[in-house]
Amino acid sequence: DAKTTQPPSMDCAEGRAANLPCNHSTISGNEYVYWYRQIHSQGPQYIIHGLKNNETNEMASLIITEDRKSSTLILPHATLRDTAVYYCIVRVGTNDYKLSFGAGTTVTVRA
Amino acid sequence: GAVVSQHPSRVICKSGTSVKIECRSLDFQATTMFWYRQFPKQSLMLMATSNEGSKATYEQGVEKDKFLINHASLTLSTLTVTSAHPEDSSFYICSAPLRQGGGYGYTFGSGTRLTVV
Repeated sequence: DAKTTQPPSMDCAEGRAANLPCNHSTISGNEYVYWYRQIHSQGPQYIIHGLKNNETNEMASLIITEDRKSSTLILPHATLRDTAVYYCIVRVGTNDYKLSFGAGTTVTVRA
Repeated sequence: GAVVSQHPSRVICKSGTSVKIECRSLDFQATTMFWYRQFPKQSLMLMATSNEGSKATYEQGVEKDKFLINHASLTLSTLTVTSAHPEDSSFYICSAPLRQGGGYGYTFGSGTRLTVV
């Protein structure tokens, strides 16, 4: 699976959009970009994933650059409950192989 | 949606005893279960992969005789920490892959906080 690079931490004001960047310059054509988050002392939670098109669901939007070397997860209106560690993971999506976690970005939403 | 139920959520045990952690897939069949360990302020580290009806596959450096994994049915996988020591104190999380759109996603258990005293 391709390596990803994320900033170690970021702060966000409650009610504002949070934009979380992820670099994956070695991504290959059949690898998807997945985002998970882990709230303190809980199991990770799936947020969104995409291949090359931008995706949106009830939790977030995923913007993938045209060259697919980077992406941004957008939480449109951050709340205090969005405080968590966010993991960007790149992997082939068509198999059920193991999921490897990097260090992620610790997002702190402040009132 | 598909849920993996993990129990217990928290356990304290004495050094030298064994602890069993269960993960059950609800409303779907989990032929594969991944087991992770997470130390404070660190990321999740994969320990082993269990497959229903076959032996588990352990990651390098993980003692298979210490961390016994059983995947006896399509809805239950267990991790037993044998002869636990304080250094085994950690957060243990299970995860099952499942079909999601055109590919695979993963659903996680809520985790088990193990404290060995």
